[in-house]
Amino acid sequence: KNEVEQSPQNLTAQEGEFITINCSYSVGISALHWLQQHPGGGIVSLFMLSSGKKKHGRLIATINIQEKHSSLHITASHPRDSAVYICAVLLQYSGGGADGLTFGKGTHLIIQP
Amino acid sequence: GAGVSQSPRYKVAKRGQDVALRCDPISGHVSLFWYQQALGQGPEFLTYFQNEAQLDKSGLPSDRFFAERPEGSVSTLKIQRTQQEDSAVYLCASSLVGLYSGNTIYFGEGSWLTVV
Repeated sequence: KNEVEQSPQNLTAQEGEFITINCSYSVGISALHWLQQHPGGGIVSLFMLSSGKKKHGRLIATINIQEKHSSLHITASHPRDSAVYICAVLLQYSGGGADGLTFGKGTHLIIQP
Repeated sequence: GAGVSQSPRYKVAKRGQDVALRCDPISGHVSLFWYQQALGQGPEFLTYFQNEAQLDKSGLPSDRFFAERPEGSVSTLKIQRTQQEDSAVYLCASSLVGLYSGNTIYFGEGSWLTVV
């Protein structure tokens, strides 16, 4: 079982729809990252969360530490939002040289005009 | 440059060939990460440097994979005797200090390796 699970794997929606992408994890974490990957490979960091909620433009990210769950919401979705959205966690620090993200498989979002 | 730069962007290698992938992190960034992303999958951790020190190489899949960052800036990921299963996008990322300090992580565009 993957430590980070995302759902849905694929999502197609119409322009203007409210989008929700979910991420569940099974381990203790220090932080959770939401990332966006466009065709061609480049990944952009959208949010880094350790509690509560963050908003940036039409994007909202929430996290519930007790339930080990995070959601990424997109309001008034637009075709330019089409991308792969990846949830990644920073595991609780265990000492030594560890530092790195553990990724989900991503949610492939297509927004149709 | 302002971002993380990787080269080559695309590489086709014959099975058995050695390849070297280069990463130029953002200037001044202490932490540098290499990830491997197979088609349709999320990235998977390969190795992590803090300055020139390779603090974690637990993700390197075999002893054919080797990474270095001799002067604490540019890093090279070398794959010896490439095999078809090495075909993937190799992503480099950097952050100002470690991610446990709450720093943002910045990714390069990736090096797409196809082994034929």
